[in-house]
Formats: sequence, structure tokens, C-alpha cells
Amino acid sequence: GAGVSQSPRYKVAKRGQDVALRCDPISGHVSLFWYQQALGQGPEFLTYFQNEAQLDKSGLPSDRFFAERPEGSVSTLKIQRTQQEDSAVYLCASSSERASTDTQYFGPGTRLTVL
Amino acid sequence: AQRVTQPEKLLSVFKGAPVELKCNYSYSGSPELFWYVQYSRQRLQLLLRHISRESIKGFTADLNKGETSFHLKKPFAQEEDSAMYYCALKGSNYKLTFGKGTLLTVNP
Repeated sequence: GAGVSQSPRYKVAKRGQDVALRCDPISGHVSLFWYQQALGQGPEFLTYFQNEAQLDKSGLPSDRFFAERPEGSVSTLKIQRTQQEDSAVYLCASSSERASTDTQYFGPGTRLTVL
Repeated sequence: AQRVTQPEKLLSVFKGAPVELKCNYSYSGSPELFWYVQYSRQRLQLLLRHISRESIKGFTADLNKGETSFHLKKPFAQEEDSAMYYCALKGSNYKLTFGKGTLLTVNP
């Protein structure tokens, strides 16, 4: 079946621009996660949704980062006034049930480059 | 706080040789440990998790709570095992904490 999809796969932004990254989780998956992966590092947790509720946003690095999942399926990660340090691969993952028990399935990621 | 350490950034072995990718963790409770793998130009995917106690593609990993380790092992490496390997920990909540990864190269 279809896995987690993300778009765009690549995004180049000029410093100061706003960007929006989209995640389509596996159909029916309740839990959705965003991770940030800087070059040479492992993924780092940003935020977690259970259905449409954002239960944890403790990993968002600044108030320029905002995530939403209004209907409990597709999610968007928005970064305002991008900075060079925002350059990274942004990964989305979903899991079918309660996130504490189920495997997280990852999307291909969006590579963001801020010039 | 939870932390995962993968001490080797790069590991190179010859085909047919044994391979061990090291992972150490720091967590005060009872963690769940995972190995994720990313093949070239593919997405991150789960390789195995300690609670399953299964062997996937010939790889095994045993959780050693005394040494706080979860090393990944395979007795005979294959060229198709060349990939980036990430060890990850899940504590009492849903967050996965990843190590920095080890790039395994299996030479012919």
C-alpha cells in the first residue's frame, strides 16, 4: 500500500521567506510526527499529533515553526522568516494507533535549503 | 533525559566478514530500542526492535541493560547491507531519540 508521502521533496528558499511543507500520512493512521534532520545528524523530534490535536510541540526550535493537522490526516509544517540554520531534511512519520506502542513509518523527507 | 550514542560514524568491512554496529543509550527507565536503516536514495525504515527479538535480514540485536547497549550484529555481511544505520530509543512517551548514525560500507 501507499506509504507516507511528503511534498515538495526539495525546497530552496531565500533567507526571510516563508515555507510550507506537506505530509500525507498512511491512510487511517492516528499519530503523526515531524522530525528535523540536520546534515550528519540523526532525526530530532519536532512535534506530535494525535488525530487533529497537537499533543507535543516541545521540539519546535522557535516560534517561527508552526505545524497543523486540521482534519486529522494531512499535516503542514510551516516555517516563517527562514534562516540558514533551518536548512535540513524534514521528516514526517505516522503510526496506526497510540504512538507509544506502534511502529513509526517515515516519509522520504523534504530537503530544505535556505540561501 | 534520553540519549543515544553511536560511536562510529563510518564502518567498513569486507563481504562475508562479521559486522557489529555499536549503540549505547542513556535512560533512567525501561526503554524500547530500535534499529532503523536508510539505504541509498530510500527512506528511513525500521530494521528491528528489541521487543520483537527477531532476526531481520540476518541482523540481530540484544538489549543489554547492564551495559546500556543495543549493538547490531550480523555474522556474514553482504554488499546489499551497505547503508546508514540509526539506533533509536523510545522512553515512556512516544518520542524517538536517534543516534547520529553509522554509515556501513561492505566491500566486495
